[in-house]
Amino acid sequence: AQSVTQPDIHITVSEGASLELRCNYSYGATPYLFWYVQSPGQGLQLLLKYFSGDTLVQGIKGFEAEFKRSQSSFNLRKPSVHWSDAAEYFCAVGALNTGFQKLVFGTGTRLLVSP
Amino acid sequence: EPEVTQTPSHQVTQMGQEVILRCVPISNHLYFYWYRQILGQKVEFLVSFYNNEISEKSEIFDDQFSVERPDGSNFTLKIRSTKLEDSAMYFCASKTKGRALDEQFFGPGTRLTVL
Repeated sequence: AQSVTQPDIHITVSEGASLELRCNYSYGATPYLFWYVQSPGQGLQLLLKYFSGDTLVQGIKGFEAEFKRSQSSFNLRKPSVHWSDAAEYFCAVGALNTGFQKLVFGTGTRLLVSP
Repeated sequence: EPEVTQTPSHQVTQMGQEVILRCVPISNHLYFYWYRQILGQKVEFLVSFYNNEISEKSEIFDDQFSVERPDGSNFTLKIRSTKLEDSAMYFCASKTKGRALDEQFFGPGTRLTVL
C-alpha cells in the first residue's frame, strides 16, 4: 500500500534562513508526488508536483523539490524563508489504482518562522 | 481565480444526528473528492466521484456515508448518524478532465465537531 512519511511534525526556521522539509514515500510503481501548503483557514494549495523527467522541480513561492528514487524521498526546499511561509506543509503521493487519482498524504509539517 | 468553496466552515452536531457538508467545485471540473483529517492525523481519502457515481471509496467510507451531486453545481457529503470519531476537518476537492494525475484543487474545509 502507498504511504508517505513526514518525520518532522514542527520545524522552526529564522526568517531569511534556508528550509528543507523531508518527505519519504512508499509506492510500488513510479510515484507521482505533490507538495501542498495549508495556511490557517485556507484550503490545501499545490506548491509543486513531480510526474517524470527532471528530478528537480520548481514550484510557486520560490519552493523547489528534488525527487530521489534511491532514497524514496521528495524533500521540499526554499533558499530563504519569509514570515508568510509559516503554514502546514503536506507531502502526498498520487495513487492510480482504478484510473482515478486519489492522494495519499503524510501527516504534515508545521513550519514556524522566527524573526 | 476560480476556487472550491465549502459550507459551513464549522458544524457542531450531537452524536447520532445526520449532517450534510456542502461543496461547490470549480465549474468546469468533472472529478470530485472528499478527504478528511482527524486532528493531529494525516489527511485521508474518503471517496472519489465521477460521472454521477462513486469511482472509488476507502474503507472509512462505510454505509453511514453518502455523496451526491444534486444539481450540477453542489457536491455533498452526508453522514447519516454521526459518531464521536467522525469529528474531523473534511476537505472537498475537484479536478478537471484530463490526465488522471493532474492537480486536485481543494476547498478550505469544514470542521465537524460531534458531541
